[in-house]
Amino acid sequence: AQSVTQLGSHVSVSEGALVLLRCNYSSSVPPYLFWYVQYPNQGLQLLLKYTTGATLVKGINGFEAEFKKSETSFHLTKPSAHMSDAAEYFCAVYSGNTPLVFGKGTRLSVIA
Amino acid sequence: SQTIHQWPATLVQPVGSPLSLECTVEGTSNPNLYWYRQAAGRGLQLLFYSVGIGQISSEVPQNLSASRPQDRQFILSSKKLLLSDSGFYLCAWSALVAGGYGYTFGSGTRLTVV
Repeated sequence: AQSVTQLGSHVSVSEGALVLLRCNYSSSVPPYLFWYVQYPNQGLQLLLKYTTGATLVKGINGFEAEFKKSETSFHLTKPSAHMSDAAEYFCAVYSGNTPLVFGKGTRLSVIA
Repeated sequence: SQTIHQWPATLVQPVGSPLSLECTVEGTSNPNLYWYRQAAGRGLQLLFYSVGIGQISSEVPQNLSASRPQDRQFILSSKKLLLSDSGFYLCAWSALVAGGYGYTFGSGTRLTVV
């Protein structure tokens, strides 16, 4: 069975500071990994995804994530936070033949 | 390109009333289809998924049901809504596309049961 653990339900950073949102997964087969962002009262928007190949994945809005198989991690980073990055972020794992499994989400607050 | 349509965007329904939420997908054939629910302040819970017409798997037993009458149509229903059914409902599809599996969400329906 697959599972996702997002460490920290709420992360707060200052504007301009590094954003680091942690995600660890469990999967019995090579996983596809995703990060989604949800702004207030909106649906989910795909930030980036890892399927195969390069382990450092670049996404939209300056975010990137690195797939580390040895650590079963897929942490999301952004060098410099903007106020517009304040949102809920979800990590998810998918093996292709089972539904997408989400972590519980991390709410990112950006302080001016 | 693949698109997903979900409606209505918002819905306010009294307790005990029926529910029908519809989701349609364009630009892909034989997708896997999913219904998720997000309760206030909580994560995303998988409710139903379907790998083909008439094939529905239920993840959480409750007073909701799902149907897939056509390849690219997925419907979430209830005969009698409960207050606890309030939440944000998201439809999604997945299929093998160029670059790997695509997994796309609709814009969601915010349901308030009063």
